[in-house]
Amino acid sequence: DAEITQSPRHKITETGRQVTLACHQTWNHNNMFWYRQDLGHGLRLIHYSYGVQDTNKGEVSDGYSVSRSNTEDLPLTLESAASSQTSVYFCASSESVGGRNEQFFGPGTRLTVL
Amino acid sequence: QQQVKQSPQSLIVQKGGISIINCAYENTAFDYFPWYQQFPGKGPALLIAIRPDVSEKKEGRFTISFNKSAKQFSLHIMDSQPGDSATYFCAAEADKLIFGTGTRLQVFP
Repeated sequence: DAEITQSPRHKITETGRQVTLACHQTWNHNNMFWYRQDLGHGLRLIHYSYGVQDTNKGEVSDGYSVSRSNTEDLPLTLESAASSQTSVYFCASSESVGGRNEQFFGPGTRLTVL
Repeated sequence: QQQVKQSPQSLIVQKGGISIINCAYENTAFDYFPWYQQFPGKGPALLIAIRPDVSEKKEGRFTISFNKSAKQFSLHIMDSQPGDSATYFCAAEADKLIFGTGTRLQVFP
């Protein structure tokens, strides 16, 4: 069965370290998204991609970067982790641009920055 | 800037009761309004969605009511069950999906 996975599921790191969160989908979807979930804020879009070599900034992109070298993966990098980036991170994918298609979410990565 | 306002933040309902969650938006370019359901420790999953050309959509016990002129939409869960206990997010999309802040629903037997 097609799925979307995230790793690691839990991560503790220190302020200033670079951290990369992995996202892998086997749906063969063109669109991939990264969100962070914080109490009182819901889900906020960090970065998104509509295909290989395409990346775009979302609402809360400062301090984060992504790259898309293939269809299946969209890793999220925190260049220099800050305590404000402690959150639960969700990756999602969907079929096509502008089609108002369902987004399929991964199980999330809980990141703690000390 | 919160483009989709959701209320209440939390909701406690007795088994068999009706759960109602409300959302409001400002951007008239939004043309797709999904609701996502999230269980603890899991990612959100699409529950039901509506487009603004209809005023209501029903799937089983779940109904979306949509008021275009008031720029409001709501989720109604009829005959609420303990298994419905989860966090619910409304969302709206123009070029990107914008989520509300979420409602934690607890259904007690």
